[in-house]
Amino acid sequence: EAGVVQSPRYKIIEKKQPVAFWCNPISGHNTLYWYRQNLGQGPELLIRYENEEAVDDSQLPKDRFSAERLKGVDSTLKIQPAELGDSAVYLCASSLGTSGNNEQFFGPGTRLTVL
Amino acid sequence: AQKVTQAQTEISVVEKEDVTLDCVYETRDTTYYLFWYKQPPSGELVFLIRRNSFDEQNEISGRYSWNFQKSTSSFNFTITASQVVDSAVYFCALTGGYNKLIFGAGTRLAVHP
Repeated sequence: EAGVVQSPRYKIIEKKQPVAFWCNPISGHNTLYWYRQNLGQGPELLIRYENEEAVDDSQLPKDRFSAERLKGVDSTLKIQPAELGDSAVYLCASSLGTSGNNEQFFGPGTRLTVL
Repeated sequence: AQKVTQAQTEISVVEKEDVTLDCVYETRDTTYYLFWYKQPPSGELVFLIRRNSFDEQNEISGRYSWNFQKSTSSFNFTITASQVVDSAVYFCALTGGYNKLIFGAGTRLAVHP
C-alpha cells in the first residue's frame, strides 16, 4: 500500500516568490493534515481537512498561506509571497478519521529554503 | 491548554546501553491519546506507539518499552540495548478529541558504535 506522497522533496526560492506543495494521502483516508516543522522543533498543525472541508485552519497564516483539497483527495499548500521565516519542512499527514485514536501517517515532507 | 515537554534535547550513548527518553504532558481533557514518533535522518515521521488515557498498562515491543503514569503526567520511552540504527529524533505527542497532534520539541538520540 502506498504511503502519503509529497512533492517536491526540496525547494529553494528567493523571498517574495510564490511556492506550492502537493500532497496525496493514503487511499481512503478522509482526513488530511498540513504541518510545519521548524528546525529543532516538533511539527505544528497548520490546517486539517475533513474530505474537502477545512475544519481547523486556526494556525494557518492566512495573509500569505492558502490551501485547497479539491474533490477531497489530494491537497495543495501555497505560500505567496514567501518570507525568510517560512523556511521549514512542510509535512502532510492523513488518517482514516478524526477521533484521537486514529493514527496519522506522515509523508516525507517538503524542505523549503527561502533565500 | 495542551502541552508536551521533552526536557532532554540531545542524548548520546554507546551501543548496547539502555536509554530512557522522558515526556511530560499537560491537558485538561479526560480522554486523550499519547504517541511516540521516530524521525530518522530521512525526515519521515514513523509511528511507534499510541496509548489512550484510560490504559496505564506499560507496553513492551521488542527492545522498546513505554511507561505511562497519569499521576505524574508522564509517558516515558525506553530503548534497551540500543543500536546505531536507533539514532534519530524522537517525538512525544498528545491529542485530544479532534486528533490535533501536539508535539514536544523532540529528543535527538545518537547511538555510537
